[in-house]
Amino acid sequence: DIVMTQTPLSSPVTLGQPASISCRSSQSLVHSDGNTYLSWLQQRPGQPPRLLIYKISNRFSGVPDRFSGSGAGTDFTLKISRVEAEDVGVYYCVQATQFPYTFGQGTKLEIK
Amino acid sequence: EVQLVESGGGLVQPGGSLRLSCAASGFTFSRYWMHWVRQAPGKGLVWVSRINSDGSDTSYADPVKGRFTISRDNAKNTLYLQMNSLRAEDTAVYYCASYDSSEGYFDYWGQGSLVTVSS
Repeated sequence: DIVMTQTPLSSPVTLGQPASISCRSSQSLVHSDGNTYLSWLQQRPGQPPRLLIYKISNRFSGVPDRFSGSGAGTDFTLKISRVEAEDVGVYYCVQATQFPYTFGQGTKLEIK
Repeated sequence: EVQLVESGGGLVQPGGSLRLSCAASGFTFSRYWMHWVRQAPGKGLVWVSRINSDGSDTSYADPVKGRFTISRDNAKNTLYLQMNSLRAEDTAVYYCASYDSSEGYFDYWGQGSLVTVSS
């Protein structure tokens, strides 16, 4: 199975400041079709997960442009340009390149 | 508006069975792969099972293989997860999620159904 490792596990951030979360996979996420199926999910407290970013850097419908994704191969990053109070929650990377699909352990974003 | 509504969770004794349902609306259910993902209390997300759009192909995570069965009824826009021989470690919130197989992402998630396995 592909292991997804996120850092940090907890990220205290000041409102209005940027935040960055890293996700590393144990093997390349480039699919045989040439795509890289790496997504980012946000889970606010008491809520189900919500899709933010797919295929590394594509924002899903309705996602604010302060969220951006980047990376390639085995190293990926989610960035929030200016953190707002509603961004508090846990962020997960997930790979859908190879079965079984696997998630990172989650990064808790909290306000300082 | 896309809606996924799970039901069927509850308290069950070890060795018991439960069937979860996920009622879908607001999208063409029969075109989508569907997945179950679970989250133990205070823990992260773990993929459980998936089924393709017409129900002819299924996959399972190793911990549930042989005990859980995923199925769907496209006429009723409903996804199911039959869970047998339940163990304490199956205790979790179970989410159904739609999956865009052409773009490779989980786009919509239900609110979740809590399954508690305890004597």
